[in-house]
Amino acid sequence: SAVISQKPSRDICQRGTSLTIQCQVDSQVTMMFWYRQQPGQSLTLIATANQGSEATYESGFVIDKFPISRPNLTFSTLTVSNMSPEDSSIYLCSVSGRAKNIQYFGAGTRLSVL
Amino acid sequence: AQKITQTQPGMFVQEKEAVTLDCTYDTSDQSYGLFWYKQPSSGEMIFLIYQGSYDEQNATEGRYSLNFQKARKSANLVISASQLGDSAMYFCAMRRPISSGSARQLTFGSGTQLTVLP
Repeated sequence: SAVISQKPSRDICQRGTSLTIQCQVDSQVTMMFWYRQQPGQSLTLIATANQGSEATYESGFVIDKFPISRPNLTFSTLTVSNMSPEDSSIYLCSVSGRAKNIQYFGAGTRLSVL
Repeated sequence: AQKITQTQPGMFVQEKEAVTLDCTYDTSDQSYGLFWYKQPSSGEMIFLIYQGSYDEQNATEGRYSLNFQKARKSANLVISASQLGDSAMYFCAMRRPISSGSARQLTFGSGTQLTVLP
């Protein structure tokens, strides 16, 4: 299984500011995924981060609000920009393992926006 | 479009008993993958078990087994000998087929909150 380190684990931010979440994997992976989980809800895919190309965003998510970087095959960042209380969620990064394409998740970043 | 349905928002089970968490899915694809994850209150997503659509046998991982009924499009999770530490939210998920151009992303159900009673 892949070991995924996600930072920060939690943060409390002020409205209008931005937060960058980091995701580090212990092995090279082709695709990394960013999910959002709003309070009491299921997970929703924000975007797929590919190394060497722009991220692919899902409907309802835009690059200006959630810019993503993928500088190499083991690292990615997600920025939540110009935050509002509605952005309060758990943000999780995920990668596919080599066996059966099982997806593994980081521990998540619990974000609260005041 | 893929859809995962979990009809049990909450379930209770007595410690040491078995419990089944329901999951049905909707897809027109022949090849797909089904997953179960556990999410404790800490928020992390823990992979439990995987079933491929072409796997002939039901998947098992320790105390977890997946009751896969392809014709009914159901993939129920069975937890045997429940433990207090099993109390968590459980999500069923489906992997989109590679041919769709959306390889490996997961679609999640709404989850079932399991509480194990002492």
